[in-house]
Amino acid sequence: EIVLTQSPTTIAASPGEKVTITCRASSSVSYMYWYQQKSGASPKLWIYDTSKLASGVPNRFSGSGSGTSYSLTINTMETEDAATYYCQQWSSTPPTFGGGTKLELK
Amino acid sequence: QVQLQQSGAELVKPGSSVKISCKASGYTFTSYDMHWIKQQPGNGLEWIGWIYPGNGNTKYNQKFNGKATLTADKSSSTAYMQLSSLTSEDSAVYFCARGEAAFDYWGQGVMVTVSS
Repeated sequence: EIVLTQSPTTIAASPGEKVTITCRASSSVSYMYWYQQKSGASPKLWIYDTSKLASGVPNRFSGSGSGTSYSLTINTMETEDAATYYCQQWSSTPPTFGGGTKLELK
Repeated sequence: QVQLQQSGAELVKPGSSVKISCKASGYTFTSYDMHWIKQQPGNGLEWIGWIYPGNGNTKYNQKFNGKATLTADKSSSTAYMQLSSLTSEDSAVYFCARGEAAFDYWGQGVMVTVSS
């Protein structure tokens, strides 16, 4: 199965700061998906097909990448963005998730 | 609007089985795969398998073969997952989620605690 490694594991950012989360795949994948999960809640689809924002996601978020390296970027951090973010692939079965990046407010 | 309503928390004994449900509404239940995903406290997410309610076809993560059994009832738009021979390693939150390559709608999750 394809292993997804996210970095950093934890990051703290101040409001207005730019944040980048990286997801590296053990083999090449065609697309990457990203989810946001807040404490006690279900994950929400955040970015699909590598760079498309899910409905309702603010445009300060963006996704990019190809092959084995993908990233999620927040252009200017806002308090509501504090959460854990997971990447996910389904270029091969089973679909797998990264270990998560916890984004905290500084 | 699409909603996936899962059953309530379960406290079960080691060696027993549990069956949790996921009732879908707001879309055509038989037209979308339904997936099940495990999340252990402090851990990430693990895909268990999917069922296509339209014809009952299933696909499992090899890791969960023999552990999870997925079924669906078209008449009630409800998907089910049965977990058998439970151990402490099965204590987790279990989500149902709709989707194809991405999981676009999720249930609220069911916490299963395995304890004597």
